[in-house]
Amino acid sequence: DGGITQSPKYLFRKEGQNVTLSCEQNLNHDAMYWYRQDPGQGLRLIYYSQIVNDFQKGDIAEGYSVSREKKESFPLTVTSAQKNPTAFYLCASSNLAGGNQPQHFGDGTRLSIL
Amino acid sequence: QQQVKQSPQSLIVQKGGISIINCAYENTAFDYFPWYQQFPGKGPALLIAIRPDVSEKKEGRFTISFNKSAKQFSLHIMDSQPGDSATYFCAVGGGADGLTFGKGTHLIIQP
Repeated sequence: DGGITQSPKYLFRKEGQNVTLSCEQNLNHDAMYWYRQDPGQGLRLIYYSQIVNDFQKGDIAEGYSVSREKKESFPLTVTSAQKNPTAFYLCASSNLAGGNQPQHFGDGTRLSIL
Repeated sequence: QQQVKQSPQSLIVQKGGISIINCAYENTAFDYFPWYQQFPGKGPALLIAIRPDVSEKKEGRFTISFNKSAKQFSLHIMDSQPGDSATYFCAVGGGADGLTFGKGTHLIIQP
């Protein structure tokens, strides 16, 4: 079945540590996105990528970094500069780039601070 | 500035009733208006979406009503069932980046 796989499902970060969240899609989609979800806040865009080797900052990119070396993979690194990283992180993809395309989501990674 | 305002924040409906969730947006450049359904511990799933060239779209028990002049759109769930209990998000899109989401509505259908 085609879809988006996020791993791990749960992740714990120590103070001063960088952690990387994995996102893999086998839908052959061009565009990929990372969102952060906090209770009562909806989903907020962290980074997005329209093609391989290119990505753009979203609304809340500070303290995060991404790479897009392969079409099917878009890992997100939560750096030690992100002071409030506890959240539910969602990866999405769309067939074509642009905000007017249907987006398909993975089942998320829940990140907590130890 | 909040680009999309969703209401109510929470909603309780009796089984068999109609659930209505509303969203209002600011930017007239948006041209894609989806609704997503999310269950606890899962990612959002696209439920239904509309583009501004039509005023209503129906898929099974789910209907989107769209009012372009008022910059509002709503989700109607007919014959609501306990399995519809979830969090619902509206979103708007049209630019080069991703969707902009409302803050969500926690819907509970009482049996």
